[in-house]
Amino acid sequence: GAGVSQSPSNKVTEKGKDVELRCDPISGHTALYWYRQSLGQGLEFLIYFQGNSAPDKSGLPSDRFSAERTGGSVSTLTIQRTQQEDSAVYLCASSARAGGPTGELFFGEGSRLTVL
Amino acid sequence: DQQVKQNSPSLSVQEGRISILNCDYTNSMFDYFLWYKKYPAEGPTFLISISSIKDKNEDGRFTVFLNKSAKHLSLHIVPSQPGDSAVYFCAAISTGTASKLTFGTGTRLQVTL
Repeated sequence: GAGVSQSPSNKVTEKGKDVELRCDPISGHTALYWYRQSLGQGLEFLIYFQGNSAPDKSGLPSDRFSAERTGGSVSTLTIQRTQQEDSAVYLCASSARAGGPTGELFFGEGSRLTVL
Repeated sequence: DQQVKQNSPSLSVQEGRISILNCDYTNSMFDYFLWYKKYPAEGPTFLISISSIKDKNEDGRFTVFLNKSAKHLSLHIVPSQPGDSAVYFCAAISTGTASKLTFGTGTRLQVTL
């Protein structure tokens, strides 16, 4: 498809397990972002990629969270030893370029993570 | 440290009336502002934006106003329609830093018949 694709759309896991969330950005988009939305909260920035490098990781909440991007395309967000407070919708977005005059991001539908 | 604030978590407006959603920011480096709309179980979609060199931008039923001295912006929807019922997020960016959008916590708009 032409939009940002995320998988899985829903993930239920047990506390302490590791999870991987995948994002396929719009083809040709060089900038990729991960945000999360916890219940009743706004969109919380996690990490931003420009190409394969991550110049801003300031939003990752702990060292249990990591992300990588390969080939300037697909990105994987990994959460190790999941905790209940990690339950949220994880949203990926891509942009034709970082910041720029518009800063417009195109979002995927999100991956809903539930940690029991 | 909430740099973008939407102090009204919800708003209810009758169909045909004007909806006004408000947003305040604290970071004076922000120079570009956007509004996103989000339906349940979908990702946010871009609605309208404004550069800090302007004080108004209009697109059909949607108008965004920017008051830089007050660090305040607002989104006006007129006339409001039931399909406008969604969560609206205000976002801001400092374009010179090529960094991320900072989002507010959102306002849930319900347009009633």
